[in-house]
Amino acid sequence: AQSVTQPDIHITVSEGASLELRCNYSYGATPYLFWYVQSPGQGLQLLLKYFSGDTLVQGIKGFEAEFKRSQSSFNLRKPSVHWSDAAEYFCAVVPGVDSWGKLQFGAGTQVVVTP
Amino acid sequence: GAVVSQHPSRVICKSGTSVKIECRSLDFQATTMFWYRQFPKQSLMLMATSNEGSKATYEQGVEKDKFLINHASLTLSTLTVTSAHPEDSSFYICSARYSPGTSSYNEQFFGPGTRLTVL
Repeated sequence: AQSVTQPDIHITVSEGASLELRCNYSYGATPYLFWYVQSPGQGLQLLLKYFSGDTLVQGIKGFEAEFKRSQSSFNLRKPSVHWSDAAEYFCAVVPGVDSWGKLQFGAGTQVVVTP
Repeated sequence: GAVVSQHPSRVICKSGTSVKIECRSLDFQATTMFWYRQFPKQSLMLMATSNEGSKATYEQGVEKDKFLINHASLTLSTLTVTSAHPEDSSFYICSARYSPGTSSYNEQFFGPGTRLTVL
């Protein structure tokens, strides 16, 4: 079955430390891949997306993600987290152009930032 | 960036009543809007696709008679939860698809969500 998996439900990281959030997908072909962040009281915000081309994608707020076809992964990274990065992060996919707009989300990873 | 609002942000209602949630694209026109449902500590599940001027398309397992969707204008879609029951309590999120020019990719912008509690 097609799915998006975020193995880590909850991650705690110290401010200034690096962060990596994992995302794996299970689809027949390479889907279109996204990372969103959800903060309380705010709508989901797109951090970055991958459609094709360079497998290392730069996003907003200092985030980047790397697409690895061999591992069916699209992990999100940030070299040095800030307290404001505490939020829920969702990996999402669109299976293909026929499903445009039908985002399928992973379960999310809650990031807690400690002083 | 494009802004999407939802109203109300929170609503508490009695079992058996109906509740309407509005989703508005504030600074762009959206021919397509989406409604999602999010359970606590869980992912967003797409409920339906709302197309301006036509009937909504519901995902499998979503009761179209319980979750009425109306996309009456290019900036407004409404979700009405009819005869609400406690199991309908959830966080409902809408998104609007922004389609500038001839871009093949239409980014979705999300509203802040509506917390529905049915007593």
